[in-house]
Amino acid sequence: KNEVEQSPQNLTAQEGEFITINCSYSVGISALHWLQQHPGGGIVSLFMLSSGKKKHGRLIATINIQEKHSSLHITASHPRDSAVYICAVRSEETSGSRLTFGEGTQLTVNP
Amino acid sequence: EAQVTQNPRYLITVTGKKLTVTCSQNMNHEYMSWYRQDPGLGLRQIYYSMNVEVTDKGDVPEGYKVSRKEKRNFPLILESPSPNQTSLYFCASSLRHHQAGNSPLHFGNGTRLTVT
Repeated sequence: KNEVEQSPQNLTAQEGEFITINCSYSVGISALHWLQQHPGGGIVSLFMLSSGKKKHGRLIATINIQEKHSSLHITASHPRDSAVYICAVRSEETSGSRLTFGEGTQLTVNP
Repeated sequence: EAQVTQNPRYLITVTGKKLTVTCSQNMNHEYMSWYRQDPGLGLRQIYYSMNVEVTDKGDVPEGYKVSRKEKRNFPLILESPSPNQTSLYFCASSLRHHQAGNSPLHFGNGTRLTVT
């Protein structure tokens, strides 16, 4: 079993829909990252969380440390949100220096 | 502009010919790291560095070397590349790893390496 599991692997939505991507992990963590990778390949950091909830524009990220689970929500989705979304955790065991990644969720938003 | 610069973007080489992929950041970040991305396997950490002259192995270090002689540079060295090192490589940096609340990762644009 992978240390970081994402679901779903693929997600297709219509423009305007509310989207949720989930990330579960099995290790103690010091922080969790949500990343976005566009078709061109570049990776952008969306959020870093160690507790609670963060919001940036139409994106919301939450984390439940006790349940070892995080979610990324996109409100009013748009075709430009089409990308791969990757969850990554910084391991507490290595004081946050090691990162383990989920396999990513391919999101396609159709107009 | 704050950025992580990787070079080259694309590289095709032959088995056994030593190569270096450069990574440089202008944000005075202590933490730098290298990853490879392969279909079905996602991103995996190769090596990381918590500061100058401090490096450590990630999950897939075999066949790679790194050095951190200066804070801004963290080159990835393949002494004898093999076809199984064909991959998409990313360098990233952040502030000190334990400052989790203030350390988003900044990624380079990636290097697509093909070893024939």
